[in-house]
Amino acid sequence: EAQVTQNPRYLITVTGKKLTVTCSQNMNHEYMSWYRQDPGLGLRQIYYSMNVEVTDKGDVPEGYKVSRKEKRNFPLILESPSPNQTSLYFCASSLLGLAATYEQYFGPGTRLTVT
Amino acid sequence: DAKTTQPNSMESNEEEPVHLPCNHSTISGTDYIHWYRQLPSQGPEYVIHGLTSNVNNRMASLAIAEDRKSSTLILHRATLRDAAVYYCILRDSGGGADGLTFGKGTHLIIQP
Repeated sequence: EAQVTQNPRYLITVTGKKLTVTCSQNMNHEYMSWYRQDPGLGLRQIYYSMNVEVTDKGDVPEGYKVSRKEKRNFPLILESPSPNQTSLYFCASSLLGLAATYEQYFGPGTRLTVT
Repeated sequence: DAKTTQPNSMESNEEEPVHLPCNHSTISGTDYIHWYRQLPSQGPEYVIHGLTSNVNNRMASLAIAEDRKSSTLILHRATLRDAAVYYCILRDSGGGADGLTFGKGTHLIIQP
């Protein structure tokens, strides 16, 4: 089954403790992206990757890192989480990033709470 | 991406058609119209997209006005599982790896 998976689905952590949220897709998609969703603010893009070893900042990259060493994986790293990073995070992938005709597939989400 | 305007919420009855409107008066000639939906506690899900002509797929139909300043997502026979927030999004075919810009969307309520 074609899908985007994220782990963990739920995470409660403390300020400053490094964490990684994993994202994996099995559709051989070139483009992958991370979003955060906050009440009243909609989904905002954090980082995206056009292909292996190619990443770039989205609208809200501060406090986050990503890497794309393999085509299928795109982990989101919070080196020193803070309470304002408490949010619902979605990973997404698409066959090609520059083509407006391709849909994005989203993972189920990771709910992160930083205390 | 150009801006879209949708009603905050709509209500319909199960097994009846639902027409979800979207206004995009500043749409450019290279903008595709995409619809996504987000069911409770799930990630967004692609529904349909189009450029100028009406489009149909297994989930829905998309009717695009002749001047392209508005469009309507049509669910032909709503079920309780269609209760979700529906987002109308414009995507410029001219390029850009920008993420999708989700507005507030329309919260669709389905009554049994």
